[in-house]
This record gives sequence, structure tokens and C-alpha cells, in this order.
Amino acid sequence: GQSLEQPSEVTAVEGAIVQINCTYQTSGFYGLSWYQQHDGGAPTFLSYNALDGLEETGRFSSFLSRSDSYGYLLLQELQMKDSASYFCAVRDNGRRGGYQKVTFGTGTKLQVIP
Amino acid sequence: GAGVSQSPSNKVTEKGKDVELRCDPISGHTALYWYRQSLGQGLEFLIYFQGNSAPDKSGLPSDRFSAERTGGSVSTLTIQRTQQEDSAVYLCASSRDNQETQYFGPGTRLLVL
Repeated sequence: GQSLEQPSEVTAVEGAIVQINCTYQTSGFYGLSWYQQHDGGAPTFLSYNALDGLEETGRFSSFLSRSDSYGYLLLQELQMKDSASYFCAVRDNGRRGGYQKVTFGTGTKLQVIP
Repeated sequence: GAGVSQSPSNKVTEKGKDVELRCDPISGHTALYWYRQSLGQGLEFLIYFQGNSAPDKSGLPSDRFSAERTGGSVSTLTIQRTQQEDSAVYLCASSRDNQETQYFGPGTRLLVL
């Protein structure tokens, strides 16, 4: 089955850079996604990496190394509003094949402090 | 355009009662997912629909949980004989197909007393 590991909590200072790591174990890997969830809110999609390397979207970047089964989300110029939980999610072959199943990690709670 | 909507937004029920949770996906999205999230926890997969069929029901925790989808659109998650441990936020997501990004609804917060 699938398993994902990410830190449970991270604290960083406003204006700084923070990296949230995610390691995974799976078979039939397709790609790694990142979602943001504010307290009481719904998860919202941030990024998806199917190939090795860095994908940049504004202040957020996501990296994937398929050979290392590892990825990270990089948040630059942190703002107070970035305080939220961040979930990595692996997309792989579903149990019955032909179905790209998404499995979510347990999430990293990011606290941005002044 | 309209996103994923869920109703009710909050539900308080007594132990042993049945509840129905509704999800309206984004129009045209063929894939629909149900997840459960307990307080401060990650997203626990429950069931996946492609059209009206459910190729993956592996996440349903017990036979008290069932779901259906009609017309390739609205889905209902039913929990029978609710237990206190069923208290959680139930999230629905849809995607254009199962290879695309999932868009989440606001969730239904279920509290079983």
C-alpha cells in the first residue's frame, strides 16, 4: 500500500523561507501533489509534480525526486496568511488498476510568526 | 463558476440515528470522491465514483457507511446507526476525470452525541 511521511508541525518567521518535506512509498507512481488547508476550510490545490525537478508558482515552489521518493514544498517570503496545514498527496495506480488514486499525507501545520 | 457544494454544512445527531450527507460536484466532473477528516488529522479516503459507479469503495470503514451517485452528478453518503466515532468533517471532491486535480467542497461537520 501507499505511505507518506511529512513533519507534523513547522514554525517560521514572516518574510522567511520554509521547506516542507514529504517522503513516500508506493507502486505505480504518477505524481505528487500539494494542497493547502486553512483551519475550518477546504483543501485547495497548490501544485503537481509528475517529473523530477522544480515547479514554481509565484511564492510557492514544489520539487520532486522520483528516484528518492521524495518531494518538498518551498514557500518564500512567508506571510501570516500562509499559516495553514499543507498536505502532500501521491497519485498512483489504484488497487484495481487504470485508476489514478490519490492518497493524502497526514499534513504539516505551518505557523508563521511575526 | 460554481464550485463543489455540500449540505448540510453542519449536522448534529444522536447516536444510533441515520444521516445523509449530500455533495454537488462541479458540472461536468465525472470523478467524485468522499473523504473523512477528524480534528487535526489528515484526509481519510472513503470512496471514489466514476460516473455512477464506484470502482473503489475500499475506504468505507464499515457496512454502516454507503454512498450512491445518480445521473453522474449528485452523490449522497449515508451513515446508518451513527456512532460517536463517526464525528468528523466529511469532505467531497470532484475532478474532470480521475487523472485531474481534485476540487474540494467546504465539508459537512458531523457531530454525533
